[in-house]
Amino acid sequence: AQRVTQPEKLLSVFKGAPVELKCNYSYSGSPELFWYVQYSRQRLQLLLRHISRESIKGFTADLNKGETSFHLKKPFAQEEDSAMYYCALLVLNAGNMLTFGGGTRLMVKP
Amino acid sequence: DAGVIQSPRHEVTEMGQEVTLRCKPISGHDYLFWYRQTMMRGLELLIYFNNNVPIDDSGMPEDRFSAKMPNASFSTLKIQPSEPRDSAVYFCASSSQSAEAFFGQGTRLTVV
Repeated sequence: AQRVTQPEKLLSVFKGAPVELKCNYSYSGSPELFWYVQYSRQRLQLLLRHISRESIKGFTADLNKGETSFHLKKPFAQEEDSAMYYCALLVLNAGNMLTFGGGTRLMVKP
Repeated sequence: DAGVIQSPRHEVTEMGQEVTLRCKPISGHDYLFWYRQTMMRGLELLIYFNNNVPIDDSGMPEDRFSAKMPNASFSTLKIQPSEPRDSAVYFCASSSQSAEAFFGQGTRLTVV
């Protein structure tokens, strides 16, 4: 069965510091991975997906199949990055079902 | 499109009462998902529909929970009877074959 693990429930950094939110997955098929973000009192929204290989709001994430990881990185954190971040794995043989990790709360301090 | 619309935004009810959460997916999306978010367990998939048909309800915690999708533009999640441990934020999401899921604002349920 598929599984997504985010080992850190809380990550606290100072503004301007680099950020790395960890995500590891286990899945027997070819993975499609996403990062979703939830700002305070707002809905979950897609931040980025690995197949598009884009940078959104300064964030990037590289799929490492050898390490089964999809860590989210940003070189210089901003206060407005404070939010809840969820890593998600798309299970294609079960429709478009997303399996989420437990989430990491990022707090960027001034 | 206004996105996925959920109602109510907040619901406070007494233990034992029936609770109905509502969702209007984005027009044209053929997948609809119900998720529950709690501090302890994070985001859990409860059930999902494809073309109005329930595909996987293995995440539904127990028989007190039921979900329906009578047409492509409406779904309900019902809890009867409700219990305090059902208190959570319930999200509805919809997607099409492009796979990106769009989420509603969520319904914060408090059972006292």
